[in-house]
Amino acid sequence: QTVVTQEPSLTVSPGGTVTLTCASSTGAVTRNNHPNWFQQKAGQPPRPLIYDTINKHSWTPARFSGSLLGGKAALTLSGVQPEDEADYYCLLFYGGAQRVFGGGTKLTVL
Amino acid sequence: EVQVVESGGDLVQPGGSLRLSCAASGLTVSSDVWNWVRQAPGKGLEWVSVIYSEGRTHNADSVKGRFAISRDSSKNTLYLQMSSLRAEDTAIYYCARDADWGYDYWGQGTLVTVSS
Repeated sequence: QTVVTQEPSLTVSPGGTVTLTCASSTGAVTRNNHPNWFQQKAGQPPRPLIYDTINKHSWTPARFSGSLLGGKAALTLSGVQPEDEADYYCLLFYGGAQRVFGGGTKLTVL
Repeated sequence: EVQVVESGGDLVQPGGSLRLSCAASGLTVSSDVWNWVRQAPGKGLEWVSVIYSEGRTHNADSVKGRFAISRDSSKNTLYLQMSSLRAEDTAIYYCARDADWGYDYWGQGTLVTVSS
């Protein structure tokens, strides 16, 4: 069974920079896993932020960026705002049509 | 304007069945890749099922043999037929479009509760 692992929680100061990562139990995450990143606030559906590793949706704020870092997918928030406090999930695509979400990272802005 | 609306969630007894619907406007269900994703109370997201534009489908192991994804082009609606429901199937069920390796449009979700 494929497992996708994220940091359970992270804390960042307003205006700071933080990087969230997404690792795969099958090995290094590559562009062939087409990483997606989502933000979710309480009582709301997930909001897509990044798709296919680095691409932003038209509604994604410029301070969010996606990349590959040390064999993992990464989401970097630069100039963090208080409203960025939320849960963040990554999604990886695998062969055979399988898709797996990470367990999520709870980001606290403090 | 794009709109995705799920419906059909309900309280159902263990072993029971339920069909969820996902109506799309501004998007075409039959020409895109569509998914069902669920979220148990207080838990993370779990991918459930996908249907491709050519009709091929695939399910997560946790629901294989019990859930079936389908669509009705004339109604521009996606479905999830769920049977042999278990307590662990209790969750909010979302439908989401997958375009160019990105899940872009999601509905607000519909709640399924499996309990006696």
